Amino acid sequence: EAGVAQSPRYKIIEKRQSVAFWCNPISGHATLYWYQQILGQGPKLLIQFQNNGVVDDSQLPKDRFSAERLKGVDSTLKIQPAKLEDSAVYLCASSFYQTSYEQYFGPGTRLTVT
Amino acid sequence: GQSLEQPSEVTAVEGAIVQINCTYQTSGFYGLSWYQQHDGGAPTFLSYNALDGLEETGRFSSFLSRSDSYGYLLLQELQMKDSASYFCAVRDEAMFSGGYNKLIFGAGTRLAVHP
Repeated sequence: EAGVAQSPRYKIIEKRQSVAFWCNPISGHATLYWYQQILGQGPKLLIQFQNNGVVDDSQLPKDRFSAERLKGVDSTLKIQPAKLEDSAVYLCASSFYQTSYEQYFGPGTRLTVT
Repeated sequence: GQSLEQPSEVTAVEGAIVQINCTYQTSGFYGLSWYQQHDGGAPTFLSYNALDGLEETGRFSSFLSRSDSYGYLLLQELQMKDSASYFCAVRDEAMFSGGYNKLIFGAGTRLAVHP
């Protein structure tokens, strides 16, 4: 079974630029999560989708971050404009059900904002 | 507020046993998970406890005491490949929007295994 796919793996941008990350979850997984992991910290949930609907975006900085999951499969997370403090690894995860306790993580995108 | 506390670093030798503790204070609690993350890698699921007691999976075991808001991960017969960061995560079940769960992660414990 293929795992969670993410691209790009690495991205370097200047502050105030925009960037987008892509995620393809495990086939058949209805729930998709985007996490931000700052160096030395645990992952922090940014947004959670159930199929193509948002069930939790309480920690998403909505003035600069946006995410969508069209057709309930792939998802894109965008940052516009980026700030220095957005430098982090952005992890995508998926689970079969929204109440599944096991989440499967992708390799992440390491973003550096200079 | 929500907080999870775990030691930042632990060092052990090959073949030894190590215990990584996690205490939590969260508004809701449905269970405690443990994830392993190697440097530059993806977090991978290790175990989950919803009820008090010990869960054993091969060399790894996880324990939960809900009354003490405490859990631990026990790693036995340590191997060099066990050098990684270990995160405890509370499953916080929200009762709105049809009910769903979210994971709240601790800051992680970096385990270094030496020969």
